[in-house]
Amino acid sequence: EPEVTQTPSHQVTQMGQEVILRCVPISNHLYFYWYRQILGQKVEFLVSFYNNEISEKSEIFDDQFSVERPDGSNFTLKIRSTKLEDSAMYFCASSEWRRGQETQYFGPGTRLLVL
Amino acid sequence: LAKTTQPISMDSYEGQEVNITCSHNNIATNDYITWYQQFPSQGPRFIIQGYKTKVTNEVASLFIPADRKSSTLSLPRVSLSDTAVYYCLVGEPDYKLSFGAGTTVTVRA
Repeated sequence: EPEVTQTPSHQVTQMGQEVILRCVPISNHLYFYWYRQILGQKVEFLVSFYNNEISEKSEIFDDQFSVERPDGSNFTLKIRSTKLEDSAMYFCASSEWRRGQETQYFGPGTRLLVL
Repeated sequence: LAKTTQPISMDSYEGQEVNITCSHNNIATNDYITWYQQFPSQGPRFIIQGYKTKVTNEVASLFIPADRKSSTLSLPRVSLSDTAVYYCLVGEPDYKLSFGAGTTVTVRA
């Protein structure tokens, strides 16, 4: 069964550093998403991406965040200057369709720890 | 988005059927009901989706009464590996999933 993959599985960084989280969505999917889950809290939507553009972003997704699809397979989330409160599990997801009976397929996540 | 209410936790034993009920009194006409499962340190995984009546797949069944103000996810004959958090999501099958706190199901031997 095709799956979404994410790298790295764990990332430790110093406050103020830039991090790039990488995702390889399922190959025929057209819609891509990032979510995050702070330890012990609920999964929160960050951003959706389609046709090389952001479709929607949440309040969490401020100017320090950016997303990119640098090639035909990767989808990245960049955090420009990390803060302590960015420590969380970051999940990438992809779906084939935007509406209708589609589901989103989630990757295993990247655990980010900001020190 | 319709507000959902589901139990915080449920305990069960291996081989039993687990039924998780989700209340969504203000569900809209276009809303679907979707359940996701999340194991510790993993991403959520789609289980089942329905609009009305009953839906069954190889993993679970979803029962939706005629008024659609609630729904029940049924997990038949659970095993230890079914221990997870189960989320009820109600809304248009849209690009932005809104997760609540979910129901933590613990299956014991």
